[in-house]
Amino acid sequence: SQKIEQNSEALNIQEGKTATLTCNYTNYSPAYLQWYRQDPGRGPVFLLLIRENEKEKRKERLKVTFDTTLKQSLFHITASQPADSATYLCALDRTGGSYIPTFGRGTSLIVHP
Amino acid sequence: DGGITQSPKYLFRKEGQNVTLSCEQNLNHDAMYWYRQDPGQGLRLIYYSQIVNDFQKGDIAEGYSVSREKKESFPLTVTSAQKNPTAFYLCASSIVGTGGSREAFFGQGTRLTVV
Repeated sequence: SQKIEQNSEALNIQEGKTATLTCNYTNYSPAYLQWYRQDPGRGPVFLLLIRENEKEKRKERLKVTFDTTLKQSLFHITASQPADSATYLCALDRTGGSYIPTFGRGTSLIVHP
Repeated sequence: DGGITQSPKYLFRKEGQNVTLSCEQNLNHDAMYWYRQDPGQGLRLIYYSQIVNDFQKGDIAEGYSVSREKKESFPLTVTSAQKNPTAFYLCASSIVGTGGSREAFFGQGTRLTVV
């Protein structure tokens, strides 16, 4: 069955450093992959989408890569700030082309001043 | 402003009762979804609908029911058959089709507690 894996351990980094979060998947050939940010007690907010034929996508301090051979996406936040502290979720479309977002459990990022 | 609204924000239910969670969107999206989130867990799909008057079961539909009588509305009923309903419930909507960002817009969630 489809499986999405994100590191369950929180990532702690110092302000100004680059944060790198990982999303791995198995038994999947997604057409696209999305990253969302979720703050405690709130709904997720969309950040970026990358399609299967794209290697890299950037938006301001965010960068996403997508390696369909390794079945992995990396999410980078450069020049991280304490305000970037949140849980980051990756989501892939469901197999069968139904385009229904299927989410990983997310990785908590804590940026220390 | 366009968006998706869930109500109530907090809900308490006695065991054996059915409760209905509201979800309304004015984004003109065809697709709507219900997810459940437990502490430290990802979002699990309960039900989804891609067109009015049609909906499909997700991964954990047992003990839940939905309706989609209007494009804007997708209420979720948590029935007494749901054995462990205490959770954070999230409603989302998106466009249908292969174009665009396929971004899912989420409501603020309803935290349901069984007392």
